[in-house]
This record gives sequence, C-alpha cells and structure tokens, in this order.
Amino acid sequence: DIQMTQSPSSLSASVGDRVTITCRASQSISFYLSWYQQKPGKAPNLLIYAANNLQGGVPSRFSGSGSGTDFTLTISSLHPEDFATYHCQQTYRMPYTFGQGTKVEIK
Amino acid sequence: QVHLVQSETEVKKPGASVKVSCKTSGYSFSNYAIHWVRQAPGQRLEWMGWINGGNGNTEYSQKFQGRVTITRDTSASTSYMELNSLTSEDTAVYYCARDGPLLAYWGQGTLVTVSS
Repeated sequence: DIQMTQSPSSLSASVGDRVTITCRASQSISFYLSWYQQKPGKAPNLLIYAANNLQGGVPSRFSGSGSGTDFTLTISSLHPEDFATYHCQQTYRMPYTFGQGTKVEIK
Repeated sequence: QVHLVQSETEVKKPGASVKVSCKTSGYSFSNYAIHWVRQAPGQRLEWMGWINGGNGNTEYSQKFQGRVTITRDTSASTSYMELNSLTSEDTAVYYCARDGPLLAYWGQGTLVTVSS
C-alpha cells in the first residue's frame, strides 16, 4: 500500500495567518492527491482534487500544489471557520490511503 | 442536489455482522461509484472499498478482503456495506462517499460500536 505522511500533525495559528500543510507519498502518485477538511462530528469535505483543482464552492484562499511524492495545501489567510483537521488522500492506486491528518488550532 | 443518507447507529457484539446502508438521491445512481471509508477513534481515515454504481463491480482493500461485502440496489439508489466477524477494533464511524470527482459527496456517517 502507498503510505501517506502529513506534517505537521498539528499546528497553532491565528486568524489571518498563512498556513501550509505538507503531504508526502511513499512512492510517486503523479498528481492523484486530494485534500479534505473535517470538523468534529462531521464527514470530510473535499477541498482540492488532482493536486491543485479547487472543488466547487471552496473559497479561493485554499490552494494545492505538488506532484510525484510531495504536495502542499496552503490557506492564504486563515478564517475562523478554517480551524479543523485536514487530510490528504492518494487516489493513484487502490487502496486509496489517507494521511494521518493535521489539526489546525487557534493560537 | 446530491444527498447521501446513511442508516442509524449500530451496537454489535464481537463476532457479529453489521450492514450499513447509504441511500442516495439527486443524481443517476448508475453513473457514479460509491466508496466506503471508516474512521476509528483517534485513527486516520481508512478506505475500505468501492462499488461501480452501473455494473456492480467491486474492489476491496486487502485489509478487509473476505470480511467486507459492498452491494447496491439500483432500484433503490442505495449501496450497502456489510462487515463480518466484528471485533472491538471495528468500532468506528463508517462513511459512504460518491465520486465526481473522487469522494466529492459524503454521507453523514454511521457509528458502529462493537462491545460485549
């Protein structure tokens, strides 16, 4: 199985901060990488697919980049509703494995 | 508007089976695949398998092979996930999710608790 590793596992930030989360795959996955936001007690919500494509309805402050093994999710200016856990997922080969999640907390 | 509505919370004893349903609406069921993902307490999301809504073909994670069965009823626009030989490690929230793009739409989740 392809292993996905996110860093950091958690971070503290303030409203207005620029936040970057990274995701590394154990082998090349081309651009087959998705990012999700999850709030407590809720299902994940797709933010980015195919590494850098913004899902409809997702604010433009979210962006994704990368290819191969290294990927990044950036929030350009953190809003109060962005405090949540973020997950990456590879969709290159089944089983479609996820990262361990990155919790973004209020500083 | 696409909706996926899952069945209610389940409590099962070790060794039992559970069957979770995922009723869809707002689109043509046969045109998209349904995936099943679970999240155990404090653990990462875990992809279990998927079913092609049109031809019913399935593929499962090796971890669950032989223990999980994903089916569909096209007339009811519903997918089902059955997991057998439950242990406490299967205690988790189980989600269904639809393609278009991958895992773009999710059900609300079904909590399955396995306890003696």
